[in-house]
Amino acid sequence: QKEVEQNSGPLSVPEGAIASLNCTYSDRGSQSFFWYRQYSGKSPELIMSIYSNGDKEDGRFTAQLNKASQYVSLLIRDSQPSDSATYLCAVRGGYQKVTFGIGTKLQVIP
Amino acid sequence: DADVTQTPRNRITKTGKRIMLECSQTKGHDRMYWYRQDPGLGLRLIYYSFDVKDINKGEISDGYSVSRQAQAKFSLSLESAIPNQTALYFCATSPRGNTDTQYFGPGTRLTVL
Repeated sequence: QKEVEQNSGPLSVPEGAIASLNCTYSDRGSQSFFWYRQYSGKSPELIMSIYSNGDKEDGRFTAQLNKASQYVSLLIRDSQPSDSATYLCAVRGGYQKVTFGIGTKLQVIP
Repeated sequence: DADVTQTPRNRITKTGKRIMLECSQTKGHDRMYWYRQDPGLGLRLIYYSFDVKDINKGEISDGYSVSRQAQAKFSLSLESAIPNQTALYFCATSPRGNTDTQYFGPGTRLTVL
């Protein structure tokens, strides 16, 4: 079982719709959870971090964490073509160790 | 100017050659990391360094070595390159006390023939 699992996609959504990206993790002791966005040919950049159960909102982005289910998600409201990218879920488990998922490719169709 | 730079950006080499990838940062961060990214496998940690005298192996360190020449410089070496080391390599940094946010360099695309 991979430590951090994501569906590689692609996930296609129409412009203006809500995109829902999901991630599960195996280490119950995980402390911190992140979403990075990576445009094609570019490096990852952090867009959201979440540390406690519940929702965290930042503009059009909402991160959701459920530690009991070992599940973290990212919602993108009013999706724009510029949101088309690969979204990497990352989890900090043991001491200072951050593990990345393979990423979900999102395509927003105009 | 970019805060985290990597050289070279692209490199093609042959099996058995020694190659060094370099990373420099102007962010003043203590912690530096080397990852490789492969399709279907995601980002995997090769080595990380929390300061100049602290270097640690990541999950896939075999075939690689590193050198932390200064706080701002962290180099990755492939002593004898092999084709399955063909990948996109990223350097990243994070500040002391906060390993949550990692700042990535632009990447080096390495091809081993």
